[in-house]
Amino acid sequence: DQQVKQNSPSLSVQEGRISILNCDYTNSMFDYFLWYKKYPAEGPTFLISISSIKDKNEDGRFTVFLNKSAKHLSLHIVPSQPGDSAVYFCAASSLPSGTYKYIFGTGTRLKVLA
Amino acid sequence: GAGVSQSPSNKVTEKGKDVELRCDPISGHTALYWYRQRLGQGLEFLIYFQGNSAPDKSGLPSDRFSAERTGESVSTLTIQRTQQEDSAVYLCASSLQAGQGQSPLHFGNGTRLTVT
Repeated sequence: DQQVKQNSPSLSVQEGRISILNCDYTNSMFDYFLWYKKYPAEGPTFLISISSIKDKNEDGRFTVFLNKSAKHLSLHIVPSQPGDSAVYFCAASSLPSGTYKYIFGTGTRLKVLA
Repeated sequence: GAGVSQSPSNKVTEKGKDVELRCDPISGHTALYWYRQRLGQGLEFLIYFQGNSAPDKSGLPSDRFSAERTGESVSTLTIQRTQQEDSAVYLCASSLQAGQGQSPLHFGNGTRLTVT
Protein backbone atom coordinates (compact mmCIF):
# COMPACT_ATOMS: atom_id res chain seq x y z
CA ASP A 1 0.00 0.00 0.00
CA GLN A 2 1.64 3.20 -1.22
CA GLN A 3 0.67 5.81 1.38
CA VAL A 4 2.50 8.63 -0.38
CA LYS A 5 2.12 8.87 -4.14
CA GLN A 6 3.79 10.95 -6.78
CA ASN A 7 1.90 10.08 -9.90
CA SER A 8 4.08 12.00 -12.36
CA PRO A 9 7.40 10.25 -12.84
CA SER A 10 8.80 13.15 -14.86
CA LEU A 11 8.22 16.80 -15.71
CA SER A 12 9.88 19.20 -18.15
CA VAL A 13 9.67 22.97 -17.74
CA GLN A 14 11.24 25.92 -19.52
CA GLU A 15 13.73 28.01 -17.59
CA GLY A 16 12.01 30.94 -15.90
CA ARG A 17 8.62 29.26 -15.80
CA ILE A 18 6.87 27.72 -12.80
CA SER A 19 7.43 24.06 -11.91
CA ILE A 20 4.61 22.36 -10.02
CA LEU A 21 5.25 18.98 -8.46
CA ASN A 22 2.38 17.08 -6.92
CA CYS A 23 2.04 14.56 -4.13
CA ASP A 24 -0.99 12.70 -2.75
CA TYR A 25 -1.28 10.78 0.48
CA THR A 26 -3.82 8.37 1.92
CA ASN A 27 -3.11 8.39 5.66
CA SER A 28 -5.12 11.13 7.40
CA MET A 29 -2.83 10.80 10.44
CA PHE A 30 0.09 12.36 8.56
CA ASP A 31 0.79 15.77 10.04
CA TYR A 32 4.22 16.78 8.76
CA PHE A 33 5.31 16.87 5.16
CA LEU A 34 8.66 17.46 3.52
CA TRP A 35 10.14 17.87 0.07
CA TYR A 36 13.59 16.64 -0.85
CA LYS A 37 15.72 17.11 -3.94
CA LYS A 38 18.11 14.44 -5.12
CA TYR A 39 20.96 14.71 -7.60
CA PRO A 40 22.55 11.56 -9.06
CA ALA A 41 25.05 9.83 -6.75
CA GLU A 42 24.11 12.10 -3.85
CA GLY A 43 21.77 11.70 -0.91
CA PRO A 44 18.47 13.59 -0.86
CA THR A 45 18.71 17.18 0.32
CA PHE A 46 15.98 18.76 2.43
CA LEU A 47 14.16 21.60 0.67
CA ILE A 48 11.09 22.69 2.58
CA SER A 49 8.54 21.33 5.04
CA ILE A 50 5.02 22.07 6.17
CA SER A 51 3.03 21.18 9.24
CA SER A 52 -0.60 20.16 8.95
CA ILE A 53 -1.66 23.26 10.87
CA LYS A 54 -0.63 25.37 7.88
CA ASP A 55 -1.71 25.40 4.27
CA LYS A 56 1.27 27.21 2.80
CA ASN A 57 4.96 27.61 3.50
CA GLU A 58 7.32 29.69 1.43
CA ASP A 59 11.11 29.79 1.25
CA GLY A 60 12.59 31.85 -1.53
CA ARG A 61 11.69 30.33 -4.89
CA PHE A 62 10.06 27.32 -3.22
CA THR A 63 6.50 27.21 -1.90
CA VAL A 64 4.68 24.19 -0.57
CA PHE A 65 0.89 24.08 -0.49
CA LEU A 66 -1.10 21.64 1.61
CA ASN A 67 -4.76 20.74 0.99
CA LYS A 68 -5.73 18.49 3.89
CA SER A 69 -9.25 17.81 2.70
CA ALA A 70 -7.89 16.53 -0.60
CA LYS A 71 -4.86 14.88 1.03
CA HIS A 72 -2.71 16.66 -1.51
CA LEU A 73 0.40 18.75 -1.41
CA SER A 74 2.35 20.50 -4.10
CA LEU A 75 5.73 22.14 -4.49
CA HIS A 76 5.98 25.25 -6.63
CA ILE A 77 9.34 26.44 -7.91
CA VAL A 78 9.36 29.86 -9.50
CA PRO A 79 11.26 30.88 -11.47
CA SER A 80 12.66 27.49 -12.43
CA GLN A 81 16.39 27.29 -13.09
CA PRO A 82 18.49 24.64 -14.87
CA GLY A 83 20.13 23.80 -11.53
CA ASP A 84 16.73 22.72 -10.24
CA SER A 85 16.88 19.68 -12.53
CA ALA A 86 16.81 16.74 -10.13
CA VAL A 87 14.49 14.10 -8.69
CA TYR A 88 12.06 15.49 -6.12
CA PHE A 89 10.62 13.35 -3.35
CA CYS A 90 7.78 14.20 -1.02
CA ALA A 91 7.65 12.57 2.40
CA ALA A 92 5.19 12.43 5.28
CA SER A 93 5.19 11.42 8.90
CA SER A 94 2.73 11.18 11.75
CA LEU A 95 3.57 12.50 15.21
CA PRO A 96 0.39 11.16 16.85
CA SER A 97 1.18 7.63 15.69
CA GLY A 98 4.17 7.66 18.01
CA THR A 99 6.66 6.75 15.36
CA TYR A 100 8.74 9.11 13.31
CA LYS A 101 8.99 6.91 10.28
CA TYR A 102 9.03 9.13 7.22
CA ILE A 103 7.22 7.63 4.25
CA PHE A 104 8.54 8.75 0.87
CA GLY A 105 6.93 8.91 -2.53
CA THR A 106 8.53 7.41 -5.62
CA GLY A 107 9.84 10.75 -6.87
CA THR A 108 9.34 13.06 -9.84
CA ARG A 109 12.24 13.80 -12.16
CA LEU A 110 12.23 17.51 -13.04
CA LYS A 111 14.09 18.74 -16.06
CA VAL A 112 14.42 22.49 -16.51
CA LEU A 113 15.21 23.37 -20.10
CA ALA A 114 17.50 26.31 -20.79
CA GLY B 1 32.71 17.47 7.26
CA ALA B 2 29.66 17.96 9.42
CA GLY B 3 27.27 15.86 7.33
CA VAL B 4 26.15 12.24 7.53
CA SER B 5 28.97 9.97 6.43
CA GLN B 6 28.47 6.53 4.92
CA SER B 7 31.01 3.88 4.00
CA PRO B 8 31.79 2.28 1.72
CA SER B 9 30.39 4.41 -1.08
CA ASN B 10 30.29 1.37 -3.35
CA LYS B 11 30.25 -2.33 -2.58
CA VAL B 12 30.20 -5.24 -5.01
CA THR B 13 29.67 -8.64 -3.47
CA GLU B 14 28.90 -12.15 -4.56
CA LYS B 15 25.54 -13.68 -3.89
CA GLY B 16 25.53 -15.46 -0.54
CA LYS B 17 28.17 -13.28 1.10
CA ASP B 18 27.51 -11.04 4.11
CA VAL B 19 27.99 -7.27 3.91
CA GLU B 20 28.21 -4.55 6.52
CA LEU B 21 27.39 -0.93 5.80
CA ARG B 22 28.39 1.89 8.10
CA CYS B 23 26.80 5.23 8.95
CA ASP B 24 28.20 8.11 10.99
CA PRO B 25 25.36 10.53 11.79
CA ILE B 26 25.66 14.24 12.42
CA SER B 27 26.96 14.85 15.93
CA GLY B 28 24.12 15.55 18.34
CA HIS B 29 21.44 13.97 16.17
CA THR B 30 19.49 11.55 18.29
CA ALA B 31 17.47 9.87 15.54
CA LEU B 32 18.98 7.67 12.84
CA TYR B 33 17.25 6.06 9.87
CA TRP B 34 18.15 3.55 7.18
CA TYR B 35 16.40 3.62 3.82
CA ARG B 36 17.10 1.89 0.56
CA GLN B 37 16.40 2.89 -3.01
CA ARG B 38 16.21 0.23 -5.66
CA LEU B 39 16.69 1.21 -9.28
CA GLY B 40 13.75 3.33 -10.44
CA GLN B 41 12.00 3.12 -7.09
CA GLY B 42 11.34 5.49 -4.21
CA LEU B 43 12.95 5.48 -0.79
CA GLU B 44 11.96 2.41 1.20
CA PHE B 45 12.09 2.69 4.99
CA LEU B 46 14.13 -0.03 6.71
CA ILE B 47 14.78 0.83 10.36
CA TYR B 48 14.77 3.77 12.79
CA PHE B 49 16.74 4.35 15.99
CA GLN B 50 15.86 6.98 18.59
CA GLY B 51 18.04 7.31 21.68
CA ASN B 52 17.74 4.34 24.01
CA SER B 53 14.29 3.33 22.77
CA ALA B 54 13.75 0.04 21.02
CA PRO B 55 14.35 0.52 17.28
CA ASP B 56 11.47 0.47 14.82
CA LYS B 57 12.42 -2.48 12.63
CA SER B 58 9.14 -2.65 10.77
CA GLY B 59 10.72 -1.97 7.38
CA LEU B 60 13.38 -4.66 7.39
CA PRO B 61 12.48 -6.94 4.44
CA SER B 62 13.71 -10.22 5.94
CA ASP B 63 15.61 -11.70 8.86
CA ARG B 64 18.77 -11.49 6.76
CA PHE B 65 18.77 -7.78 7.53
CA SER B 66 19.83 -6.38 10.89
CA ALA B 67 21.12 -3.09 12.22
CA GLU B 68 22.84 -1.88 15.33
CA ARG B 69 23.55 1.52 16.76
CA THR B 70 26.09 2.38 19.43
CA GLY B 71 24.54 4.99 21.70
CA GLU B 72 23.80 8.05 19.62
CA SER B 73 26.65 7.53 17.19
CA VAL B 74 27.67 5.01 14.57
CA SER B 75 25.22 2.55 13.07
CA THR B 76 25.89 -0.54 11.00
CA LEU B 77 23.45 -2.28 8.68
CA THR B 78 24.27 -5.93 8.08
CA ILE B 79 22.87 -8.04 5.27
CA GLN B 80 23.54 -11.75 5.56
CA ARG B 81 23.58 -14.19 2.64
CA THR B 82 23.04 -11.42 0.12
CA GLN B 83 20.68 -11.95 -2.79
CA GLN B 84 20.56 -10.14 -6.13
CA GLU B 85 17.35 -8.36 -5.10
CA ASP B 86 19.33 -6.70 -2.29
CA SER B 87 21.11 -4.60 -4.90
CA ALA B 88 20.20 -0.98 -4.16
CA VAL B 89 21.52 2.28 -2.76
CA TYR B 90 21.35 2.15 1.03
CA LEU B 91 20.83 5.59 2.52
CA CYS B 92 21.37 6.62 6.10
CA ALA B 93 19.81 9.76 7.58
CA SER B 94 19.86 11.46 10.95
CA SER B 95 17.72 14.13 12.54
CA LEU B 96 18.09 16.44 15.47
CA GLN B 97 15.20 15.18 17.53
CA ALA B 98 12.13 13.05 17.48
CA GLY B 99 9.51 12.76 20.15
CA GLN B 100 9.42 16.46 20.87
CA GLY B 101 8.54 17.65 17.44
CA GLN B 102 9.41 16.96 13.88
CA SER B 103 12.66 17.85 12.22
CA PRO B 104 13.88 17.07 8.72
CA LEU B 105 16.17 14.18 7.90
CA HIS B 106 19.73 14.82 6.75
CA PHE B 107 20.94 12.13 4.39
CA GLY B 108 24.35 10.72 3.59
CA ASN B 109 25.37 10.00 0.01
CA GLY B 110 24.53 6.34 0.36
CA THR B 111 26.25 3.03 -0.26
CA ARG B 112 25.60 1.50 -3.67
CA LEU B 113 25.42 -2.26 -3.15
CA THR B 114 25.67 -4.57 -6.14
CA VAL B 115 25.15 -8.29 -5.62
CA THR B 116 26.47 -10.38 -8.51
